[in-house]
Amino acid sequence: NAGVTQTPKFRILKIGQSMTLQCTQDMNHNYMYWYRQDPGMGLKLIYYSVGAGITDKGEVPNGYNVSRSTTEDFPLRLELAAPSQTSVYFCASRPGTVTNTEAFFGQGTRLTVV
Amino acid sequence: DQQVKQNSPSLSVQEGRISILNCDYTNSMFDYFLWYKKYPAEGPTFLISISSIKDKNEDGRFTVFLNKSAKHLSLHIVPSQPGDSAVYFCAASGLTQGGSEKLVFGKGTKLTVNP
Repeated sequence: NAGVTQTPKFRILKIGQSMTLQCTQDMNHNYMYWYRQDPGMGLKLIYYSVGAGITDKGEVPNGYNVSRSTTEDFPLRLELAAPSQTSVYFCASRPGTVTNTEAFFGQGTRLTVV
Repeated sequence: DQQVKQNSPSLSVQEGRISILNCDYTNSMFDYFLWYKKYPAEGPTFLISISSIKDKNEDGRFTVFLNKSAKHLSLHIVPSQPGDSAVYFCAASGLTQGGSEKLVFGKGTKLTVNP
């Protein structure tokens, strides 16, 4: 059971470039989340999804887009990379059918925008 | 507007002593609280949780206390071990007005347990 898998693990982007951070989970979880963690800061919610076809903004959605066409996948898209998006990105999933459950995290993607 | 606050960025304790990590929240909609542990270059891993209907939950060396009236929770680690050195995140969960469930994290407390 792989859990939550994120790719790539590391990436360097130039300002203005675009990329997609991939996240897939094999636990059939309904809820999926994208967080970013800046140095010395906590986890800030970017976007989340409560099921296939449904997404919603978190605290810091600007500069990002998401889609949820399947239960398993929740990619995060950066269209015009900016230095402020240099961060570590974590994807997480949670069953969602029962409210009191923990979320499972991927290993993270470290993104540097130069 | 920080809904989950961990006001101590770091904590240092001696091996064998108690570690107490604190967390405050502002939103009354939260009804489930979690603690996560994070090592460098790894994703957060779940440690322990507590429902708002309880005031204490214990799992081995880890105990979480919840004071709903004060909107405060704490994680106690007894006895502390060097392997406990990590960043600890407090998280809170609850239904939004739209009926979906948000999971909000604090900024984390870096715990160092000295041998």
